Amino acid sequence: GAVVSQHPSRVICKSGTSVKIECRSLDFQATTMFWYRQFPKKSLMLMATSNEGSKATYEQGVEKDKFLINHASLTLSTLTVTSAHPEDSSFYICSARGTALGERGTDTQYFGPGTRLTVL
Amino acid sequence: DAKTTQPTSMDCAEGRAANLPCNHSTISGNEYVYWYRQIHSQGPQYIIHGLKNNETNEMASLIITEDRKSSTLILPHATLRDTAVYYCIVRATGGANSKLTFGKGITLSVRP
Repeated sequence: GAVVSQHPSRVICKSGTSVKIECRSLDFQATTMFWYRQFPKKSLMLMATSNEGSKATYEQGVEKDKFLINHASLTLSTLTVTSAHPEDSSFYICSARGTALGERGTDTQYFGPGTRLTVL
Repeated sequence: DAKTTQPTSMDCAEGRAANLPCNHSTISGNEYVYWYRQIHSQGPQYIIHGLKNNETNEMASLIITEDRKSSTLILPHATLRDTAVYYCIVRATGGANSKLTFGKGITLSVRP
């Protein structure tokens, strides 16, 4: 399958600071990228969907001004958690999907390894 | 809301086949069945997907009933490393914003 990377794998920051997480598709062009959040012992929750060169579409209840998403190229999307607070501590996972992958007529969504954010 | 229902958990012995069921009785004609798994503290890993025919790859087999209302993921020879949460998800094709919505999944525990 295709490879999606995330950086950093874990980050610890102070309350009030901003944190940027990068997501890269390494061997395919990701026309669409997704950002998920996962709290302990819970399932993944979709935060937003972004198409290359367009503004992200946020899920209900997700603050777009707090979680800034940029998808400026076909291989890179970034999520910036602005003015982070302890309640933003979570496991953030990106996912990428590209039309070039051609999995029998569908385009499979691949996931990165995740970023563990801890806000003190 | 997730459109699939799965048992909460199951276990199997190492080396035996693990059969993970999934119900998706409201699946639409253009929706595929996808299976992912998530090992603790990692991102989900794609396993397999199908529309109506049975599918097999190097990881698993997917058996979809003729009416498409349920499916079974089969891991033919489970190992300890297959212990994970397995998610069965239905997803429509087409549309830039077609997306995967995760339910609670089924926790598979492979015992020695």
